[in-house]
Amino acid sequence: EDQVTQSPEALRLQEGESSSLNCSYTVSGLRGLFWYRQDPGKGPEFLFTLYSAGEEKEKERLKATLTKKESFLHITAPKPEDSATYLCAVSNSNSGYALNFGKGTSLLVTP
Amino acid sequence: EPEVTQTPSHQVTQMGQEVILRCVPISNHLYFYWYRQILGQKVEFLVSFYNNEISEKSEIFDDQFSVERPDGSNFTLKIRSTKLEDSAMYFCASGLHYGYTFGSGTRLTVV
Repeated sequence: EDQVTQSPEALRLQEGESSSLNCSYTVSGLRGLFWYRQDPGKGPEFLFTLYSAGEEKEKERLKATLTKKESFLHITAPKPEDSATYLCAVSNSNSGYALNFGKGTSLLVTP
Repeated sequence: EPEVTQTPSHQVTQMGQEVILRCVPISNHLYFYWYRQILGQKVEFLVSFYNNEISEKSEIFDDQFSVERPDGSNFTLKIRSTKLEDSAMYFCASGLHYGYTFGSGTRLTVV
């Protein structure tokens, strides 16, 4: 059975203090790994898709990387508006486009 | 920017009652999904829909659940006889492939 584990559960950063969120996964035939952002009371907002080990994607202050066992979401010089829950999800080769989500990392960036 | 619209935003229903959650996906999207998120838990896949039929469903999506695309724009999730444990946030999503767009959700409270 696919497993997605995110750490830490919660992270508090000062504005400008860079850090990384981790997503460890076990999946039978990775089709893709996905990062979403979720604000309170809202649906997940798509950030990145990574398909193979070594792949990297960037968007503003966020950079996602992928290895065969885990993915990192690096946040460089975060701002308070980056505060949200960041979700990692995987899709396996048997599951079509269905996503298996982790529990997320709740990020708070203080001024 | 196109968005997925869900109605109602919040619904309270009595145990045993039928509920229909409604979604208007993005117009040129081909794949449609329902996910749910119980308070404090991870986002869970329920069902995917393509070409007017269910393409994949999870173990959660039992005979109490059904989906329908009654016309060219709406996509509905019906729960026939609600249970207390059906209380959750239900998210509709649509996409052309991966990286699909989620709506803001319907909070279902079963009392």
